[in-house]
Amino acid sequence: AQTVTQSQPEMSVQEAETVTLSCTYDTSESDYYLFWYKQPPSRQMILVIRQEAYKQQNATENRFSVNFQKAAKSFSLKISDSQLGDAAMYFCATGNQGGKLIFGQGTELSVKP
Amino acid sequence: GAVVSQHPSRVICKSGTSVKIECRSLDFQATTMFWYRQFPKQSLMLMATSNEGSKATYEQGVEKDKFLINHASLTLSTLTVTSAHPEDSSFYICSARPRTSGSKTQYFGPGTRLLVL
Repeated sequence: AQTVTQSQPEMSVQEAETVTLSCTYDTSESDYYLFWYKQPPSRQMILVIRQEAYKQQNATENRFSVNFQKAAKSFSLKISDSQLGDAAMYFCATGNQGGKLIFGQGTELSVKP
Repeated sequence: GAVVSQHPSRVICKSGTSVKIECRSLDFQATTMFWYRQFPKQSLMLMATSNEGSKATYEQGVEKDKFLINHASLTLSTLTVTSAHPEDSSFYICSARPRTSGSKTQYFGPGTRLLVL
């Protein structure tokens, strides 16, 4: 079974500042993937960043980076130089080889100008 | 980039009627598509996995006779909500996984809002 927990229902950050969103997970899969998705008010799911669990190096994508701690089953997302357009609901997810995704409860991020 | 469409984007129907939602991968072939349900202010819940040419795999607690899934081609999957009731009102989202070997990324459709009166 797979579970994903996001303990921060809401977060707020000042524009241009840095914010970290937390995520912990549990999985019985030996080969799995971790994702952060963004869902703006339009409700379109947008992939932010992806991490293969077998890779030790943390994934980065421009202003977005992750801190992947496999032993602790932790997968946090850091957003640097926050922009107004970053305001959205962020979902952490685990995926297995078959593509099945299990999502966390979500963290609503607001960005203050 | 890979684009997934859903049709309709919004539908209102009377209780007891059936509603079909289409999910299409526009610029890639998808051997696997997924259907999710999302209630307001909640997360996405996987309903079923749809594989081209075979029967869908439903998650525990999802009624397969209630939510009929057909994946007739590599670019189209349909979800039919049969005999819809007000409690079926929700936001339904599909995603598609490219046929490309090794691809682990899913691309999501824009969602369909269903309101059953």
